[in-house]
Amino acid sequence: IVVTQSPGTLSLSPGERATLSCRASQSLSGSYLAWFQQKPGQAPRLLIYGASRRATGIPDRFSGNGSGTDFTLTINRLEPEDFAVYYCHQYGNSPLTFGQGTRLDIK
Amino acid sequence: EVQLVESGGALVQPGGSLRLSCAASGLTFSAYWMNWVRQAPGKGLEWVANIKQDGSEEYYVDSVKGRFTISRDNGKNVLYLQMNNLRVEDTAVYYCATTTIFGLTMIPGEHWGQGTLVTVSS
Repeated sequence: IVVTQSPGTLSLSPGERATLSCRASQSLSGSYLAWFQQKPGQAPRLLIYGASRRATGIPDRFSGNGSGTDFTLTINRLEPEDFAVYYCHQYGNSPLTFGQGTRLDIK
Repeated sequence: EVQLVESGGALVQPGGSLRLSCAASGLTFSAYWMNWVRQAPGKGLEWVANIKQDGSEEYYVDSVKGRFTISRDNGKNVLYLQMNNLRVEDTAVYYCATTTIFGLTMIPGEHWGQGTLVTVSS
């Protein structure tokens, strides 16, 4: 299953809302879709799993939704620490796959 | 505190071999599926392989099938990745990561190591 993220880069200001998209080439059974955040030199951090469930310790300004083939990560009221690269990841079918990433830059 | 610590990364020539290790602590290692995920310099994430809790099932991305072998030692709380016939395109930081499964719920990548760098070059 190929997962495609858009846009490739998103330039926003702190306090704004970010909307990141992820599209799968086939329907994801069980909504096995996750979102990760990665900052330079760091391992990825799990934000969302099961399309909409926040991982432990993730602020509620992060939310995920979607089903089937189309999924969205929304970040409300962007904080300076939110500017990073975000990856979606389907983990219901082997081989597991990641999207190519969306870079969230400070405008 | 959960800790995953990878080791074994090195500079190796094309066609060479390397074994990576991931030492786990602070969690019940035998309760988790375990994964290897890699990231080439300046590129995105690529899932490489995973292994079931008891080691009875393994899955691989096509590009490493027949060359890489994932294994685990639940007595020592260690995950391994044996990499043979290495290619230049295998150059990457290799991370180990957990997958939690309870019932129909799966939580991928809740815990990650810091990564170990493998460089394949002549």
